[in-house]
Amino acid sequence: DAKTTQPNSMESNEEEPVHLPCNHSTISGTDYIHWYRQLPSQGPEYVIHGLTSNVNNRMASLAIAEDRKSSTLILHRATLRDAAVYYCILTDSWGKLQFGAGTQVVVTP
Amino acid sequence: EPEVTQTPSHQVTQMGQEVILRCVPISNHLYFYWYRQILGQKVEFLVSFYNNEISEKSEIFDDQFSVERPDGSNFTLKIRSTKLEDSAMYFCASGGQLGDGYTFGSGTRLTVV
Repeated sequence: DAKTTQPNSMESNEEEPVHLPCNHSTISGTDYIHWYRQLPSQGPEYVIHGLTSNVNNRMASLAIAEDRKSSTLILHRATLRDAAVYYCILTDSWGKLQFGAGTQVVVTP
Repeated sequence: EPEVTQTPSHQVTQMGQEVILRCVPISNHLYFYWYRQILGQKVEFLVSFYNNEISEKSEIFDDQFSVERPDGSNFTLKIRSTKLEDSAMYFCASGGQLGDGYTFGSGTRLTVV
């Protein structure tokens, strides 16, 4: 399974953008790039996903490098509610998600 | 917004007992999954289910585990003879199409004593 590499933690001030990097140098042509987050004591929550093009939704934006070997999740204005562990995951042919340790995002007021 | 519902939210059972964890996926979804998370550890894939059969399972999903979609709406995970190390949060997830985002339930906390 293709692996991803993320920083252990990132800090941000409230109302400022957060850029979460993810490296996936062994990505295959059919792998989708998914981002999920997990708030304390809750189940994982879908954030966004993409294949080749940049994607936007109401929660975030996903910027995918041209060679697809890295991506960046962008939270445009961090709120205290965005404090969570963010997971960058590549899905394989059956769509199972292999969670890593993720990036702990800390948002300070 | 559609939700994945899991019951019970918390289950305490004695070692060696059988437990059934229940999930109601989103109604038009076709792909179903169980994951677990031992306290303080990563979320681990257990099994995926499509077209009324298991499509993939992890090494964790041994003969003690089974899944079923008994009535077209519920999706259950059965652990036949629970061990202390089965204590974890168990999450059900469902998806409409491969590659799309998946919706997770809020989990069942299983405590084996």
